[in-house]
Amino acid sequence: NAGVTQTPKFQVLKTGQSMTLQCAQDMNHEYMSWYRQDPGMGLRLIHYSVGAGITDQGEVPNGYNVSRSTTEDFPLRLLSAAPSQTSVYFCASRRTSGTYEQYFGPGTRLTVT
Amino acid sequence: AQTVTQSQPEMSVQEAETVTLSCTYDTSESDYYLFWYKQPPSRQMILVIRQEAYKQQNATENRFSVNFQKAAKSFSLKISDSQLGDAAMYFCAYGRSQGAQKLVFGQGTRLTINP
Repeated sequence: NAGVTQTPKFQVLKTGQSMTLQCAQDMNHEYMSWYRQDPGMGLRLIHYSVGAGITDQGEVPNGYNVSRSTTEDFPLRLLSAAPSQTSVYFCASRRTSGTYEQYFGPGTRLTVT
Repeated sequence: AQTVTQSQPEMSVQEAETVTLSCTYDTSESDYYLFWYKQPPSRQMILVIRQEAYKQQNATENRFSVNFQKAAKSFSLKISDSQLGDAAMYFCAYGRSQGAQKLVFGQGTRLTINP
């Protein structure tokens, strides 16, 4: 049981490049989300999904796209990277009922130069 | 919109002593959950303790306990018998019980344990 996995762990991009951060979970959780962590600001929600085919925006969605074609996977796409997107990105998942505990992946540190 | 505030950017405590981390939140909801997450240097987010708003009894997990004051919208974390492994960033988080369950995080408190 791997829990929530994220790839890559580290990435350096140039301004304007695109990339996809991968997230997968093997707990059959319906709810998945992406957060970014910046110094002094805690974690902020980017996008979330309550099931396959259903996504919605969080607090800071601009510059990011998501899709959810399967229960297991929830990739985050940066179409044209900007220095302001330099951050640590966390994927999380949880069941839609019960204790509402979110299980986090190990994070991806992204630097945009 | 819900907000979570941690007013202590940094705290330090002697090993084996007790320390309390503060958290306040703002919401108009009556049913919600509150969490404390620990983030060690490894960056992994680890759930420390969870409190359901409808429960009056304060949650406890071994050396970790909370003081939940619903009317005051306060949710502090007490760590007893502090250990070197407790050194980390601690985040307070709020989640609604109904509708889209998104976590709102505080800014974090960096806890240092002095040997």
